[in-house]
Amino acid sequence: AQSVTQLDSQVPVFEEAPVELRCNYSSSVSVYLFWYVQYPNQGLQLLLKYLSGSTLVKGINGFEAEFNKSQTSFHLRKPSVHISDTAEYFCAVKERRNAGNMLTFGGGTRLMVKP
Amino acid sequence: EPEVTQTPSHQVTQMGQEVILRCVPISNHLYFYWYRQILGQKVEFLVSFYNNEISEKSEIFDDQFSVERPDGSNFTLKIRSTKLEDSAMYFCASTRTAGGPEQYFGPGTRLTVT
Repeated sequence: AQSVTQLDSQVPVFEEAPVELRCNYSSSVSVYLFWYVQYPNQGLQLLLKYLSGSTLVKGINGFEAEFNKSQTSFHLRKPSVHISDTAEYFCAVKERRNAGNMLTFGGGTRLMVKP
Repeated sequence: EPEVTQTPSHQVTQMGQEVILRCVPISNHLYFYWYRQILGQKVEFLVSFYNNEISEKSEIFDDQFSVERPDGSNFTLKIRSTKLEDSAMYFCASTRTAGGPEQYFGPGTRLTVT
Protein backbone atom coordinates (compact mmCIF):
# COMPACT_ATOMS: atom_id res chain seq x y z
CA ALA A 1 0.00 0.00 0.00
CA GLN A 2 1.11 3.55 -0.55
CA SER A 3 0.44 6.87 1.14
CA VAL A 4 1.04 10.51 0.24
CA THR A 5 1.64 13.36 2.63
CA GLN A 6 1.38 16.99 1.68
CA LEU A 7 2.89 18.79 4.59
CA ASP A 8 1.24 22.16 4.06
CA SER A 9 -2.53 22.46 3.88
CA GLN A 10 -2.31 26.13 2.89
CA VAL A 11 0.46 28.20 1.36
CA PRO A 12 -0.06 31.95 1.11
CA VAL A 13 2.36 33.75 -1.20
CA PHE A 14 2.61 37.10 -2.88
CA GLU A 15 2.36 37.44 -6.62
CA GLU A 16 5.68 37.00 -8.48
CA ALA A 17 7.26 35.26 -5.49
CA PRO A 18 8.62 31.71 -5.79
CA VAL A 19 6.73 28.83 -4.23
CA GLU A 20 7.37 25.23 -3.27
CA LEU A 21 4.61 22.78 -2.40
CA ARG A 22 5.91 19.75 -0.59
CA CYS A 23 4.97 16.14 -1.20
CA ASN A 24 6.34 13.00 0.42
CA TYR A 25 5.21 9.50 -0.31
CA SER A 26 5.55 6.05 1.13
CA SER A 27 5.37 2.89 -0.93
CA SER A 28 6.72 -0.65 -0.80
CA VAL A 29 6.93 -0.78 -4.61
CA SER A 30 8.11 1.53 -7.36
CA VAL A 31 5.64 4.28 -8.24
CA TYR A 32 4.75 6.89 -10.81
CA LEU A 33 4.26 10.40 -9.41
CA PHE A 34 1.83 13.11 -10.42
CA TRP A 35 0.68 16.59 -9.52
CA TYR A 36 -2.86 17.63 -10.27
CA VAL A 37 -4.40 21.10 -9.96
CA GLN A 38 -8.01 21.85 -9.07
CA TYR A 39 -9.26 25.35 -9.75
CA PRO A 40 -12.35 26.48 -7.81
CA ASN A 41 -15.44 24.51 -8.78
CA GLN A 42 -13.58 22.54 -11.42
CA GLY A 43 -12.20 19.05 -11.89
CA LEU A 44 -8.66 17.76 -11.62
CA GLN A 45 -6.18 18.76 -14.29
CA LEU A 46 -2.86 16.99 -14.73
CA LEU A 47 -0.05 19.45 -14.06
CA LEU A 48 2.95 17.17 -14.50
CA LYS A 49 4.14 13.62 -14.08
CA TYR A 50 7.27 11.62 -13.32
CA LEU A 51 7.42 8.29 -15.09
CA SER A 52 11.16 7.65 -15.54
CA GLY A 53 14.39 9.32 -16.67
CA SER A 54 15.32 12.83 -15.60
CA THR A 55 14.27 13.53 -12.04
CA LEU A 56 13.35 17.12 -12.89
CA VAL A 57 10.09 17.28 -14.77
CA LYS A 58 8.39 20.29 -16.26
CA GLY A 59 4.68 20.76 -16.51
CA ILE A 60 2.14 23.25 -17.65
CA ASN A 61 1.89 26.86 -16.49
CA GLY A 62 5.59 27.08 -15.61
CA PHE A 63 5.52 24.48 -12.84
CA GLU A 64 8.23 21.89 -12.30
CA ALA A 65 8.85 19.12 -9.81
CA GLU A 66 11.83 17.10 -8.73
CA PHE A 67 11.74 13.44 -7.85
CA ASN A 68 14.07 12.54 -5.00
CA LYS A 69 14.13 8.80 -4.49
CA SER A 70 16.27 8.81 -1.34
CA GLN A 71 13.95 11.28 0.36
CA THR A 72 10.81 9.84 -1.26
CA SER A 73 9.74 13.34 -2.20
CA PHE A 74 8.25 15.02 -5.23
CA HIS A 75 8.08 18.72 -4.43
CA LEU A 76 6.39 21.13 -6.81
CA ARG A 77 7.95 24.50 -7.57
CA LYS A 78 7.33 27.63 -9.54
CA PRO A 79 9.83 30.52 -9.68
CA SER A 80 7.20 33.26 -9.98
CA VAL A 81 3.51 32.76 -9.24
CA HIS A 82 0.52 34.58 -10.68
CA ILE A 83 -2.85 35.34 -9.17
CA SER A 84 -4.29 32.77 -11.58
CA ASP A 85 -2.27 30.02 -9.88
CA THR A 86 -4.59 30.22 -6.88
CA ALA A 87 -5.97 26.69 -6.64
CA GLU A 88 -5.76 23.40 -4.77
CA TYR A 89 -2.80 21.20 -5.68
CA PHE A 90 -2.79 17.46 -5.19
CA CYS A 91 0.17 15.13 -5.26
CA ALA A 92 -0.62 11.54 -6.25
CA VAL A 93 1.18 8.22 -6.72
CA LYS A 94 0.40 5.10 -8.68
CA GLU A 95 2.12 1.71 -8.46
CA ARG A 96 4.19 0.89 -11.52
CA ARG A 97 3.30 -2.76 -11.75
CA ASN A 98 0.02 -2.22 -13.58
CA ALA A 99 -1.00 0.67 -15.81
CA GLY A 100 -4.55 0.37 -14.53
CA ASN A 101 -3.80 0.79 -10.85
CA MET A 102 -5.54 3.43 -8.78
CA LEU A 103 -4.13 6.79 -7.80
CA THR A 104 -3.49 7.56 -4.16
CA PHE A 105 -3.80 11.25 -3.40
CA GLY A 106 -2.36 13.49 -0.74
CA GLY A 107 -4.59 15.78 1.27
CA GLY A 108 -4.00 18.75 -1.00
CA THR A 109 -2.34 22.13 -0.60
CA ARG A 110 -4.31 25.29 -1.13
CA LEU A 111 -2.09 27.85 -2.85
CA MET A 112 -3.31 31.38 -2.22
CA VAL A 113 -1.58 34.02 -4.31
CA LYS A 114 -2.00 37.55 -3.01
CA PRO A 115 -1.48 40.75 -5.02
CA GLU B 1 -8.48 17.57 -27.44
CA PRO B 2 -10.56 14.63 -26.20
CA GLU B 3 -11.81 14.84 -22.63
CA VAL B 4 -13.81 12.95 -20.05
CA THR B 5 -17.34 14.27 -19.61
CA GLN B 6 -19.73 13.77 -16.71
CA THR B 7 -23.43 14.37 -16.22
CA PRO B 8 -25.13 15.84 -14.37
CA SER B 9 -22.86 18.52 -12.96
CA HIS B 10 -24.98 18.71 -9.80
CA GLN B 11 -27.46 16.19 -8.45
CA VAL B 12 -29.65 16.72 -5.41
CA THR B 13 -31.42 13.69 -3.99
CA GLN B 14 -33.21 12.62 -0.84
CA MET B 15 -31.77 10.11 1.54
CA GLY B 16 -32.68 6.56 0.54
CA GLN B 17 -33.09 7.36 -3.14
CA GLU B 18 -31.09 5.75 -5.92
CA VAL B 19 -28.82 7.89 -8.07
CA ILE B 20 -26.91 7.18 -11.24
CA LEU B 21 -23.92 9.27 -12.15
CA ARG B 22 -22.83 9.16 -15.76
CA CYS B 23 -19.46 9.47 -17.41
CA VAL B 24 -18.20 9.30 -20.97
CA PRO B 25 -14.50 8.38 -20.88
CA ILE B 26 -12.04 9.26 -23.63
CA SER B 27 -12.88 7.04 -26.57
CA ASN B 28 -9.68 4.97 -26.93
CA HIS B 29 -9.23 4.47 -23.18
CA LEU B 30 -9.86 1.08 -21.65
CA TYR B 31 -9.43 1.56 -17.87
CA PHE B 32 -12.09 3.55 -16.04
CA TYR B 33 -12.27 4.83 -12.50
CA TRP B 34 -14.50 6.54 -9.99
CA TYR B 35 -13.16 8.72 -7.20
CA ARG B 36 -14.91 10.87 -4.67
CA GLN B 37 -13.99 13.99 -2.75
CA ILE B 38 -15.96 14.90 0.32
CA LEU B 39 -15.94 18.67 0.82
CA GLY B 40 -12.63 19.78 2.24
CA GLN B 41 -11.09 16.32 2.17
CA LYS B 42 -8.74 14.40 -0.08
CA VAL B 43 -9.68 12.64 -3.29
CA GLU B 44 -10.41 8.96 -2.56
CA PHE B 45 -10.42 6.02 -4.90
CA LEU B 46 -13.68 4.07 -5.20
CA VAL B 47 -13.34 1.56 -8.03
CA SER B 48 -11.53 0.71 -11.25
CA PHE B 49 -13.06 -1.11 -14.20
CA TYR B 50 -11.44 -2.94 -17.09
CA ASN B 51 -12.70 -5.38 -19.69
CA ASN B 52 -16.25 -5.15 -18.35
CA GLU B 53 -15.43 -6.04 -14.81
CA ILE B 54 -14.24 -4.44 -11.61
CA SER B 55 -10.46 -4.77 -11.33
CA GLU B 56 -9.99 -3.06 -7.98
CA LYS B 57 -12.20 -1.45 -5.35
CA SER B 58 -11.73 0.32 -2.06
CA GLU B 59 -13.48 -0.37 1.23
CA ILE B 60 -15.69 2.63 0.53
CA PHE B 61 -17.18 0.79 -2.45
CA ASP B 62 -19.63 -1.40 -0.54
CA ASP B 63 -22.80 -3.17 -1.68
CA GLN B 64 -24.60 0.14 -2.07
CA PHE B 65 -22.39 1.00 -5.03
CA SER B 66 -22.24 -0.55 -8.47
CA VAL B 67 -20.65 0.33 -11.80
CA GLU B 68 -21.62 -0.52 -15.32
CA ARG B 69 -20.59 0.11 -18.87
CA PRO B 70 -23.98 -0.25 -20.54
CA ASP B 71 -22.77 0.56 -24.04
CA GLY B 72 -19.54 1.41 -25.85
CA SER B 73 -19.28 4.92 -24.49
CA ASN B 74 -20.94 5.40 -21.08
CA PHE B 75 -19.60 4.40 -17.67
CA THR B 76 -22.00 4.74 -14.75
CA LEU B 77 -21.84 4.73 -10.98
CA LYS B 78 -25.02 3.76 -9.16
CA ILE B 79 -25.68 4.36 -5.50
CA ARG B 80 -28.66 2.22 -4.50
CA SER B 81 -29.86 3.93 -1.35
CA THR B 82 -28.11 7.20 -0.71
CA LYS B 83 -26.99 8.33 2.73
CA LEU B 84 -26.15 11.81 3.95
CA GLU B 85 -22.48 10.85 4.01
CA ASP B 86 -22.55 10.10 0.29
CA SER B 87 -22.65 13.84 -0.35
CA ALA B 88 -19.45 14.56 -2.23
CA MET B 89 -17.96 15.41 -5.58
CA TYR B 90 -17.64 12.30 -7.71
CA PHE B 91 -14.97 12.19 -10.39
CA CYS B 92 -14.71 9.81 -13.28
CA ALA B 93 -11.30 9.14 -14.84
CA SER B 94 -9.85 7.03 -17.63
CA THR B 95 -6.46 5.70 -18.77
CA ARG B 96 -5.05 4.22 -21.93
CA THR B 97 -3.50 0.79 -21.58
CA ALA B 98 -0.32 1.90 -23.32
CA GLY B 99 1.54 5.15 -23.78
CA GLY B 100 1.35 6.39 -20.21
CA PRO B 101 -0.26 5.63 -16.86
CA GLU B 102 -1.71 9.08 -16.28
CA GLN B 103 -5.40 9.31 -15.57
CA TYR B 104 -7.59 11.96 -17.15
CA PHE B 105 -10.39 13.28 -14.99
CA GLY B 106 -13.81 14.59 -15.78
CA PRO B 107 -15.19 17.80 -14.27
CA GLY B 108 -17.08 15.93 -11.56
CA THR B 109 -20.64 15.56 -10.36
CA ARG B 110 -21.54 17.22 -7.11
CA LEU B 111 -23.96 14.94 -5.25
CA THR B 112 -25.97 16.48 -2.44
CA VAL B 113 -28.03 14.12 -0.29
CA THR B 114 -30.66 15.81 1.87
